[in-house]
Amino acid sequence: GAVVSQHPSRVICKSGTSVKIECRSLDFQATTMFWYRQFPKQSLMLMATSNEGSKATYEQGVEKDKFLINHASLTLSTLTVTSAHPEDSSFYICSARGLAGPTDTQYFGPGTRLTVL
Amino acid sequence: GESVGLHLPTLSVQEGDNSIINCAYSNSASDYFIWYKQESGKGPQFIIDIRSNMDKRQGQRVTVLLNKTVKHLSLQIAATQPGDSAVYFCAEIPGFQKLVFGTGTRLLVSP
Repeated sequence: GAVVSQHPSRVICKSGTSVKIECRSLDFQATTMFWYRQFPKQSLMLMATSNEGSKATYEQGVEKDKFLINHASLTLSTLTVTSAHPEDSSFYICSARGLAGPTDTQYFGPGTRLTVL
Repeated sequence: GESVGLHLPTLSVQEGDNSIINCAYSNSASDYFIWYKQESGKGPQFIIDIRSNMDKRQGQRVTVLLNKTVKHLSLQIAATQPGDSAVYFCAEIPGFQKLVFGTGTRLLVSP
């Protein structure tokens, strides 16, 4: 299957700092990328949908000014957690969907564990 | 809002047994369903999918059954192995838009 990578895999930062997480589709082009957050023992919650070259669409309750998303190319999307606080500590997972659109399979990255001290 | 849910939060089986993980969905407009496997500390891994015009699909050691009448989805794993231990999520895509994940079932396989 297709490969999606995330970097970094784990990050620890101080409260108030910003953290950038990269999501790359390694062997396919992704028109759409998705960002999820997952708390321990819970399911994945969609944060935002990112389309290449356009503004991301955020889910209700997700602050777009806090979670900045950039989808500059068909293989790269970034999520920046600005002014991170301990409550932002979570497992952040991206996924990428191919050019075939909604009928194309969504492949997930390995996740990034963010810990805010 | 609409949601996808699971009946059993944890399923324990012996190695070699067949496992059945169930999922109930509520959105009758869903066109597409997917089962994902998530191991600890990793992202979800695609297992198998099924479209709403089908009621059964088989893969390697896995079978997905879809009963649209009662809005029920199941994942059957044949000859379960310790490596199958993980959390399994069903997900639906209403109108081929966004994935909606269920709450997950933890599968524990004992040697």
